[in-house]
Amino acid sequence: RKEVEQDPGPFNVPEGATVAFNCTYSNSASQSFFWYRQDCRKEPKLLMSVYSSGNEDGRFTAQLNRASQYISLLIRDSKLSDSATYLCVVNVKAAGNKLTFGGGTRVLVKP
Amino acid sequence: DAEITQSPRHKITETGRQVTLACHQTWNHNNMFWYRQDLGHGLRLIHYSYGVQDTNKGEVSDGYSVSRSNTEDLPLTLESAASSQTSVYFCASSDGGGPPSTDTQYFGPGTRLTVL
Repeated sequence: RKEVEQDPGPFNVPEGATVAFNCTYSNSASQSFFWYRQDCRKEPKLLMSVYSSGNEDGRFTAQLNRASQYISLLIRDSKLSDSATYLCVVNVKAAGNKLTFGGGTRVLVKP
Repeated sequence: DAEITQSPRHKITETGRQVTLACHQTWNHNNMFWYRQDLGHGLRLIHYSYGVQDTNKGEVSDGYSVSRSNTEDLPLTLESAASSQTSVYFCASSDGGGPPSTDTQYFGPGTRLTVL
């Protein structure tokens, strides 16, 4: 089983709609959680950190469920520019603060 | 502005040749990382360093080596390139001075390597 698993998609989303997707992690000792965004043939860039109480950044909302070991990302009022691959990233302190990346969820926003 | 750069951006080489990919950051970050990204595998850690003279193996380190002689650079060497090492390689760096939750990694633009 992979340490961090994501639905690869693609999620085809009409412009203006809401889309949500999850990521599961296997190591209960995981301490920090992030969503990165990766555009086609580009480097990953931090979208947002995920905090225990959940957090928002504009149209993006991230949630953490430690009991079920998953995090989620919700995008409201989707824009064409939101089309990208979203990478779920987990940090396990006991593993030397290295990040473990999921395979990514591809989102395609269409007019 | 501070940045992280990689060179070359594209490289074609032959099986058995030694190849070195450069990574240079100007943030004065302690931590540097090398990943490879392949379809179906996502980003996988090759080697990483927490400071000068420190290097550590990641999950896919076989056939690769790194050295850290200064803060700014972490070159990745493929000792004898193999076709299985055809991939996109990303270098990343992070400050490492705070708690893990703030230890954001910043990625370079990537090097696309083809081994024929």
